[in-house]
This record gives sequence, C-alpha cells and structure tokens, in this order.
Amino acid sequence: KNEVEQSPQNLTAQEGEFITINCSYSVGISALHWLQQHPGGGIVSLFMLSSGKKKHGRLIATINIQEKHSSLHITASHPRDSAVYICAVSSGETSGSRLTFGEGTQLTVNP
Amino acid sequence: GAGVSQSPSNKVTEKGKDVELRCDPISGHTALYWYRQSLGQGLEFLIYFQGNSAPDKSGLPSDRFSAERTGGSVSTLTIQRTQQEDSAVYLCASSPYSGRAYEQYFGPGTRLTVT
Repeated sequence: KNEVEQSPQNLTAQEGEFITINCSYSVGISALHWLQQHPGGGIVSLFMLSSGKKKHGRLIATINIQEKHSSLHITASHPRDSAVYICAVSSGETSGSRLTFGEGTQLTVNP
Repeated sequence: GAGVSQSPSNKVTEKGKDVELRCDPISGHTALYWYRQSLGQGLEFLIYFQGNSAPDKSGLPSDRFSAERTGGSVSTLTIQRTQQEDSAVYLCASSPYSGRAYEQYFGPGTRLTVT
C-alpha cells in the first residue's frame, strides 16, 4: 500500500461543475501539499497545509489530521483547470521537506 | 524573479553513456531536491541538499547515480552507464529553508531518453 493514495485516478467533468479530489496518507506528516502539473509543463505548488482549510480563487484545500485525509475542491471548473493534480506529504521524519507523492489525478474539464 | 532552471530540457543518449543534468535553484534557497518521474509512474525522491550538510542520498536507485552541489547553489545530477530504465523526467526543486515543511519550487525538468 502506498503511503499516499489519491482518488479518483481519472476525472472528467463538464465546465462549471464542482470537483473534488481526495488524498489519504498513512504516515505522520508535517505538511500536505497539492501540486498541479499541466501537460508538458512543470509542477506548480497550489497549497501547503498542516491543518484546517485554505482557499485561493476557485481552489479550496482542506485537511483532517485525525483522519489523515485531505481534499482539493475546484468550484466552477473551467477547461483550463485540466491538468494532473498531485497530493504529496512532507513527513518531517528524515531530511527536510522531502516529498512523498501520490499517483496523481488526471482531470479533464470539457467545455 | 527567476525561477528554478534546468538544463538541458531534453537529452537523448545511448545506453551505456554517462549524462549530466544541471539545476539552478532560486537564488538564496538553501534546500535543493532532485526527483524523478518515470512514464506511467509517480514522482519519487532521489536526493536532497541542505547548505553545507552531507546530502541525503537515500532515494538514489543505484550507485550509478550521484549528485553534487557546488557553492550551495548549482547542482549536477550524474548518471553513469545509463540504462533504458533510467528514461524519465528528472525534476529539481528548491525551497528557502530546509525545515520540516516548506513550499518547494519546481524546475521545468529534464526529459531523459536512453536508447
């Protein structure tokens, strides 16, 4: 079992829909990261959180430390949101903030 | 300001040859990480540098892989005697501190193809 599990692996939505991507982890963490990767592009950090909830524009990330679970929500989805969304954790047990990654969720938003 | 840069962006090499991949972190960032993203697989940690401390090499897949960071800035990842399974996108990231949890800034990656 991977230390970081994401679901779903693939998600197709219609423009305007509310989207949720889930992430569960099995190790102690110091922080959880949500990353975005566009096709052929680099990786961009969306959120880093260790408790509660963060919001940036149409994106919302929440984390429940007791349940070892995080969700990434996208409101009013748009085709430009199409990308791979990756959940990653900093365990803080070894070196610095080295990340352990989930497998990613491929999101496609159709117009 | 300038982000993390990597070179080359693409590298095609023959099996058995050595390759060097370069990473220029954001100026002032003390922590530098190398990750690898293989086709059909997720991202995996390779090596981590923090200032002048000994690097954490625990993610390197074999002794054919090595990395150095000169002057606390530029880093080079070297793969000797490349194999086809080394084909992947190699990503570098930096962060301002090396504490337990800081945001990482990723470079665009180097796509390595071993023929």
